Amino acid sequence: NAGVTQTPKFRILKIGQSMTLQCTQDMNHNYMYWYRQDPGMGLKLIYYSVGAGITDKGEVPNGYNVSRSTTEDFPLRLELAAPSQTSVYFCASRLAGDAANEQFFGPGTRLTVL
Amino acid sequence: DQQVKQNSPSLSVQEGRISILNCDYTNSMFDYFLWYKKYPAEGPTFLISISSIKDKNEDGRFTVFLNKSAKHLSLHIVPSQPGDSAVYFCAASDRGSTLGRLYFGRGTQLTVWP
Repeated sequence: NAGVTQTPKFRILKIGQSMTLQCTQDMNHNYMYWYRQDPGMGLKLIYYSVGAGITDKGEVPNGYNVSRSTTEDFPLRLELAAPSQTSVYFCASRLAGDAANEQFFGPGTRLTVL
Repeated sequence: DQQVKQNSPSLSVQEGRISILNCDYTNSMFDYFLWYKKYPAEGPTFLISISSIKDKNEDGRFTVFLNKSAKHLSLHIVPSQPGDSAVYFCAASDRGSTLGRLYFGRGTQLTVWP
């Protein structure tokens, strides 16, 4: 199993550009999450999904959109990139009903908006 | 509002000694706690967890202690090794919530020197 994979690893955007961060998991996990991590800060939840076709906002959703058309994929869309979106983005997944609530993380995408 | 707090941004310990990383939380609904370890340019990986019905959980060199009355947990690493040098995140969840959402602290950078 590859686990959780994310592409790209790095990206530089100009202000106002848009892009999609890709996330795929091969563990048949129902729940998927997008986090951002700013320097010296913990991970903040952007969006989450409890299954295909179901998504909802986390604590910092502004400026982002998500979709979940399949169990495996959970792309994060940035429209009109802003410098405040410079961050490292992590995708995670977990199995529904897992008592431990353990989430499995991808390697991250480092995004810089100039 | 930070519901999970790690007040020490960094900790430096000599190889072979004990490392103690601390974490405090404010939400009394949290009933499961996890520690994640993160190396540079990688995603966080699960290290150890503890349920609120326990006050200690041990896994090899790693032990997590939970003091519910103080809303405090700590991670002990004995003996510390240079390979333990990483950022450690404390996370908490309310398993009664179907979201399985994790709330993260800001992390503590542990450096183990020879």
